[in-house]
Amino acid sequence: GQNIDQPTEMTATEGAIVQINCTYQTSGFNGLFWYQQHAGEAPTFLSYNVLDGLEEKGRFSSFLSRSKGYSYLLLKELQMKDSASYLCAVRDLNRDDKIIFGKGTRLHILP
Amino acid sequence: DSGVTQTPKHLITATGQRVTLRCSPRSGDLSVYWYQQSLDQGLQFLIQYYNGEERAKGNILERFSAQQFPDLHSELNLSSLELGDSALYFCASSVGYGWSNTGELFFGEGSRLTVL
Repeated sequence: GQNIDQPTEMTATEGAIVQINCTYQTSGFNGLFWYQQHAGEAPTFLSYNVLDGLEEKGRFSSFLSRSKGYSYLLLKELQMKDSASYLCAVRDLNRDDKIIFGKGTRLHILP
Repeated sequence: DSGVTQTPKHLITATGQRVTLRCSPRSGDLSVYWYQQSLDQGLQFLIQYYNGEERAKGNILERFSAQQFPDLHSELNLSSLELGDSALYFCASSVGYGWSNTGELFFGEGSRLTVL
């Protein structure tokens, strides 16, 4: 089976840096996604890590450690529009191609 | 605009009824995924199709069924509706399946179902 854990809520200040952690346990790991979702809207793709290490894309970076079952999303120079839920998802290729999402981390940005 | 189209956007119905949600994937995408998102809950994986065939199944209730047609659009059928079925239902598509699928999921805007 799969188990994905991430904090329920986090608060940060505009202009600051925040790190959202995700731990997972799966039977057949083949990549980890991060998605952003504003309330009532569709999730939008942020990053996809297959190999260990850090991938940077503008203000957002994502890190993966497969041996530790751990990932984080780093958001720099926070803006008010970054207030959203951040969803960690794991692709499990053990016999099928399920993409399972965690419950998401709701990020609140304070001015 | 992700290129994934879902209809209807909103649907209000009564308990015991049946509804059909429709999804058209992005042009060229062969995989379609269905997810349910209840209030304050994460995305719950329901089912996945690839090129017309069911490939993965999640916690989908027996009252729910889905299919993918030859033109690759997909429908999710929800029957004997209960109050707890009220949720946002998302469809997502991607290029391939399994090891050939190195791409992201593209989500539609969702269908908001309210059961009264």
